[in-house]
Amino acid sequence: AQSVTQLDSQVPVFEEAPVELRCNYSSSVSVYLFWYVQYPNQGLQLLLKYLSGSTLVKGINGFEAEFNKSQTSFHLRKPSVHISDTAEYFCAVRRGGSQGNLIFGKGTKLSVKP
Amino acid sequence: KAGVTQTPRYLIKTRGQQVTLSCSPISGHRSVSWYQQTPGQGLQFLFEYFSETQRNKGNFPGRFSGRQFSNSRSEMNVSTLELGDSALYLCASSLDRVSNSPLHFGNGTRLTVT
Repeated sequence: AQSVTQLDSQVPVFEEAPVELRCNYSSSVSVYLFWYVQYPNQGLQLLLKYLSGSTLVKGINGFEAEFNKSQTSFHLRKPSVHISDTAEYFCAVRRGGSQGNLIFGKGTKLSVKP
Repeated sequence: KAGVTQTPRYLIKTRGQQVTLSCSPISGHRSVSWYQQTPGQGLQFLFEYFSETQRNKGNFPGRFSGRQFSNSRSEMNVSTLELGDSALYLCASSLDRVSNSPLHFGNGTRLTVT
């Protein structure tokens, strides 16, 4: 069975600083990986996804993530954050070729301070 | 194209009552999934419907049920409400059941059980 671990529950950072939100998954088979963002009182919005091909994936709002198969990681990065990036971020995994449900990590709350 | 629409946005119910939540997927999307989000447990998968049939089910008691109509709209029902059912219930739709199809989420229904 797949599982997802988001290593940091909260990440405080100053505006314009770089940020990395860490995500590790466990699976013995190929997987598809996703990052979602949730703003207060809203649902989840897809930031980016890794399906195959290039291990560096670019998403919306200047975010990118790198798939590392050997380390089973899919860390999310942004070179310079804005106040508006304050939100909760969720990493999710689904087994490739399956019709199983998407499994989410516990989330990381990113707090951007001026 | 309109996004996923969930109604109502907020509900307050009393223990022992039952509740029905509604979800209208993005036009053309045929798969609808439901998730429960709580601060302690995070995002937990409830069930998935496709072509009016339940395809996957999470680890929730039988008090939680759902259905999907021929127009892909979905409802979930919780009977004999307990305090622990207080949560944000999120509906997500996807084009089909192919594993690389991302989920598109609604803004959720926040259920409070008193």
